[in-house]
Amino acid sequence: DAKTTQPPSMDCAEGRAANLPCNHSTISGNEYVYWYRQIHSQGPQYIIHGLKNNETNEMASLIITEDRKSSTLILPHATLRDTAVYYCIVSNAGGTSYGKLTFGQGTILTVHP
Amino acid sequence: DAGVTQSPTHLIKTRGQQVTLRCSPKSGHDTVSWYQQALGQGPQFIFQYYEEEERQRGNFPDRFSGHQFPNYSSELNVNALLLGDSALYLCASSWLDSGNTIYFGEGSWLTVV
Repeated sequence: DAKTTQPPSMDCAEGRAANLPCNHSTISGNEYVYWYRQIHSQGPQYIIHGLKNNETNEMASLIITEDRKSSTLILPHATLRDTAVYYCIVSNAGGTSYGKLTFGQGTILTVHP
Repeated sequence: DAGVTQSPTHLIKTRGQQVTLRCSPKSGHDTVSWYQQALGQGPQFIFQYYEEEERQRGNFPDRFSGHQFPNYSSELNVNALLLGDSALYLCASSWLDSGNTIYFGEGSWLTVV
């Protein structure tokens, strides 16, 4: 699986948009970009994933650049409950990777009042 | 619709003992993966089961073994426990198909003393 690079930490004011970047310059054509978050002592929570088109769901938006070498997770109106570690993962999570996700260190997002 | 469920939530074992952790996948999912998360680290892939067979394995010793049952539930067994096996053990489930969402349970906290 391709490796990802994320900033170790970011801050955001409550109510503002949180934009979390991720670089994945070695991504291959059949690899998806997944975002998960993990609140202390809980299991990782799925946020969103995409292949090459931008995606939006009730939690967030995922913007993938045209060359697919980077992406941005957008939380449109951050709340204190969004404080967590955010993981960007690229994986062909089916197929030959058989559901394997390779987690890096992630970005610690702190939302301030 | 129940998500991924794991048991027990917490347990304490002595060095040299054996432990069995259990996982029920999300309804409709046929694939189960196990991860180990040491304190302060991201989850590390242990192995994945599909059709009752181990399909892919991470860099873990043979002391770590598993099983998948016909109802898709799974067990993780760890023999000859070491202090370093103390961690959060996470179960994840999905369909075996590229790009599908992988959901995690809340994990089982194992402390080896």
